Order: sequence, then C-alpha cells, then structure tokens
Amino acid sequence: GAGVSQTPSNKVTEKGKYVELRCDPISGHTALYWYRQSLGQGPEFLIYFQGTGAADDSGLPNDRFFAVRPEGSVSTLKIQRTERGDSAVYLCASSLNTGELFFGEGSRLTVL
Amino acid sequence: KQEVTQIPAALSVPEGENLVLNCSFTDSAIYNLQWFRQDPGKGLTSLLLIQSSQREQTSGRLNASLDKSSGRSTLYIAASQPGDSATYLCANLNQAGTALIFGKGTTLSVSS
Repeated sequence: GAGVSQTPSNKVTEKGKYVELRCDPISGHTALYWYRQSLGQGPEFLIYFQGTGAADDSGLPNDRFFAVRPEGSVSTLKIQRTERGDSAVYLCASSLNTGELFFGEGSRLTVL
Repeated sequence: KQEVTQIPAALSVPEGENLVLNCSFTDSAIYNLQWFRQDPGKGLTSLLLIQSSQREQTSGRLNASLDKSSGRSTLYIAASQPGDSATYLCANLNQAGTALIFGKGTTLSVSS
C-alpha cells in the first residue's frame, strides 16, 4: 500500500481481556517496528522485525506482550491479560533496511 | 543507555518568526538521526533524515544539522506559519541499528 496501515484505529477493552493490533507495512519494506506512546511522551520502542524474525524484542515490557510477522509482511501485536497501564497509542513503522522510518496512524488502546 | 533530550518542551511564536528546536544525546555515538512531526491524535510524519556520514539536510523551510562531537542536533524552521503548529520529535538510531530512541518532543504553536 501507499503507507503503513494500522487496525483498529481505536480499541476499548476490559481489564484481563486479550487484544490483537495489526500492522500492514509499506510494500517491500523488510524492517518493521512496534512502538508505544503515552500522553506527553515520545514513542517507546517495543520490538523490531527484520523479515519474519524478531531481531530485537528488548523493549517488550513483559511476557504478556508478543508480536509475530509470519510471512515477513503484516505483523500482529498481541497483548494478553490486559491491564489499565497498557492503555496507550501503539505505533507501527516500517523501513527499507533500517533507513528512514515511516509510521502509521497508530492504534489507540483503552483498557477499562 | 542512549537518552534524548529536547529543549524547549513547548514554544509559542508569532507567524513569520524563524525558530530553532534543539535535541541532545547522552551517547555521542550518533547514527541515523531523524526528525518527525506529530499532529494531535496522529502518527509521526518523517521530516528529515541525517545519516551518520552527513552533517545537515534541508527540505523547504526546514533545515536540520547534526554535530556528532557535541551530541546535538538542531531543527531550524524559517518563516514559521500557523500550519507548522505540531509536536516535533527527534530520534537517534541505536548502536545495534535496531531501534530509534526518541525524545519527548517540542510542542510548537505558531499564532497568526
């Protein structure tokens, strides 16, 4: 596609539920990143994929967070047993070989 | 651990003024440096990318410079317009080349 696409744009869920957020990167971009942004803060790195593999997952806060990219294109960020502190905007970005990053509009997650 | 500081946190100027936004890094090992713009409730839009071998980049009324010896970058906006009102974020690629590390941003307001 023309840009990075993220769905859903907004997700409201209850504490303890499971959530999936999807990212469709720019066609041909091999590198894909997930970030989390809280109000008034800069984006915080979560995980980086090069192709299908997670090359750096050091930013995932705990084992409730997991991400996959099975075919080297679309990626899904999965959050188990959501907590109120997980509420944030989750941003996805893609790039060609870790060059210039291009971001999507984000998925706003609210955990009640 | 790389930390990024952006000064000032907020800035208000009248239309037509030239202005400078500052970004500094605790680790002077600077690789790809990227400036972004973020409008409220939106994702990040890439403005300028300075690769490690470069010292500055220009796009229209924007000029970004990089001083690796001091660990600083500046974003210069000429003849500011109300449409420039947004949050500006700088980010530096980490040593492993796996993630951009962001500052908290400078929120700019340009009044007409």
